[in-house]
Amino acid sequence: KAGVTQTPRYLIKTRGQQVTLSCSPISGHRSVSWYQQTPGQGLQFLFEYFSETQRNKGNFPGRFSGRQFSNSRSEMNVSTLELGDSALYLCASSPGTEGYGYTFGSGTRLTVV
Amino acid sequence: KNEVEQSPQNLTAQEGEFITINCSYSVGISALHWLQQHPGGGIVSLFMLSSGKKKHGRLIATINIQEKHSSLHITASHPRDSAVYICAVLNDYKLSFGAGTTVTVRA
Repeated sequence: KAGVTQTPRYLIKTRGQQVTLSCSPISGHRSVSWYQQTPGQGLQFLFEYFSETQRNKGNFPGRFSGRQFSNSRSEMNVSTLELGDSALYLCASSPGTEGYGYTFGSGTRLTVV
Repeated sequence: KNEVEQSPQNLTAQEGEFITINCSYSVGISALHWLQQHPGGGIVSLFMLSSGKKKHGRLIATINIQEKHSSLHITASHPRDSAVYICAVLNDYKLSFGAGTTVTVRA
């Protein structure tokens, strides 16, 4: 059974650019959630999607956005990149109903220069 | 104040010792998760709890909903248990995380 696939694994971008990260969940999982991990702030919740609908979002500026497609694959976009956006971005998939755990992807390491 | 507090922040143990990590939270939750992260970033879900106690191999997790407290125990610790252990609480489809406990087990 394939795990959660995140692409790309590593990314270097310049301040002011935008970036799109992709997450393919485990087959049959309808929920995808996104997280940012930095040494200073630890793990922080960005947003969660279920069947193409955002069910919750964290306290991040509007530059951070996401979407989910009908096949449950999800993308997150960060526009007008800042140095502080350098982080490990993780996604996790789950069936989407209560009582089930999460499976995490390996993450995308974003460096903004 | 963070919604999820973990202690200790760092822990060093000798191989074979019993290890306990504590997690306290201040909000209503539908479930609590214990996660393990090794160097390099990969996160593995160890337990999901909504009540009582769960055991998997040498790992035991407990939760007291009334006291808003959970513990993760590692029995007969081994150097391969060296990792960061993270407590996370689930509320309204949102995970909130503790700062993590860095565990080092020396041979």
